Amino acid sequence: GAVVSQHPSRVICKSGTSVKIECRSLDFQATTMFWYRQFPKQSLMLMATSNEGSKATYEQGVEKDKFLINHASLTLSTLTVTSAHPEDSSFYICSARDDGYEQFFGPGTRLTVL
Amino acid sequence: KQEVTQIPAALSVPEGENLVLNCSFTDSAIYNLQWFRQDPGKGLTSLLLIQSSQREQTSGRLNASLDKSSGRSTLYIAASQPGDSATYLCAPPPPGRRALTFGSGTRLQVQP
Repeated sequence: GAVVSQHPSRVICKSGTSVKIECRSLDFQATTMFWYRQFPKQSLMLMATSNEGSKATYEQGVEKDKFLINHASLTLSTLTVTSAHPEDSSFYICSARDDGYEQFFGPGTRLTVL
Repeated sequence: KQEVTQIPAALSVPEGENLVLNCSFTDSAIYNLQWFRQDPGKGLTSLLLIQSSQREQTSGRLNASLDKSSGRSTLYIAASQPGDSATYLCAPPPPGRRALTFGSGTRLQVQP
């Protein structure tokens, strides 16, 4: 199957700082990527849909000014958590969809805000 | 809004058993359904994709069926192995959307 990478895999930061997470589709082009968040022992919750060359679409309750998404190319989407706080600590996972409608997920980024 | 339920929530079996994991969803107007596995602290690995026109899909020891009319999908694991231990998630997209909706998963533990 297709490969999606995420970087970094783990990040620890101080409260108030910003953190950028990259999501790349390595062997296919993805006009659409998705960002999910997963809290411990819970399932994945969709945060936003990232569209190449246009603004992201955010789910209800997700602050677009706090979670900045940029989809600059067909293989790269970035999620920036601005002014991170301890409650933003979570596991962030991106996915990308190929032309066959199958979605492939990255390995995730564990964010810990102190 | 699509809602997904997976039963059982957890399952512990001895190695070699055949298993059935169940998934039900509220809105049957889906164009496909994916099954994933997630190992602790890891991302999701795609196992099977069933298109709405298909009734089942097979990959090795895994077989997934889809009954859109009843809003159900089943993942069958044959001859389970300790390496199958993981959380299994089914994910139908909500109608008219490309993102996936996830159930809470089935946590599987296969004992050697």
